[in-house]
Amino acid sequence: QITLKESGPTLVKPTQTLTLTCTFSGFSLSTSGVGVGWIRQSPGKALEWLTLIYWDDDKRYSPSLKSRLTITKDTSKNQVVLTMTNMDPVDTATYYCVHWALPYSFDYWGQGTLVTVSS
Amino acid sequence: QSALTQPASVSGSPGQSITISCTGTSSDVGTYNLLSWYQQHPGKAPKLMIYEVSKRPSGVSNRFSGSKSGNTASLTISGLQAEDEADYYCCSYAGTSTFVVFGGGTKLTVL
Repeated sequence: QITLKESGPTLVKPTQTLTLTCTFSGFSLSTSGVGVGWIRQSPGKALEWLTLIYWDDDKRYSPSLKSRLTITKDTSKNQVVLTMTNMDPVDTATYYCVHWALPYSFDYWGQGTLVTVSS
Repeated sequence: QSALTQPASVSGSPGQSITISCTGTSSDVGTYNLLSWYQQHPGKAPKLMIYEVSKRPSGVSNRFSGSKSGNTASLTISGLQAEDEADYYCCSYAGTSTFVVFGGGTKLTVL
């Protein structure tokens, strides 16, 4: 059974750096074809893909946010970490950790964590 | 503004069928048969309903079906049930640079 869970601060101040951790179970991020990514959803808005890291450490970033994002993995700990710099109130959103599979879809989602950016 | 265009809302009565469209471009929907659909109930995480245009994951009702023609994909829900009331999002693979793009979402109301 695949599960993913996001953890990190619920409140960050403008200009600060956000660090979120995704801890997962039920699969290995060293298995060919597997990826773990992040998707966010601002209140009342659509889903927005942010980034993804593959089993072989290849990384993909949203072109519009690429300069602010970093994704890393720790395979031994079954964790993926998202870092987003220079946070702004418009970055207030629920951030989801997702499992990406070769059918090219996000087949498992974490419960999401709401991050509010406010001074 | 989302990369894929969906109607903001659709509605239908129980037992009826509805179709939600998802229009992209030749850089995403039109090129790749890697289109997925997600259902999201209020306050919940999205759930994968369709992948690779028309395939259903295990456990998803066969009332949900998908198709694609050119740059437009569609999700059809037949035999509408109250529990189908939710937001639906399409998502297309868009190549190694852009990776994926989402639609703006469609709110389905079961009357």
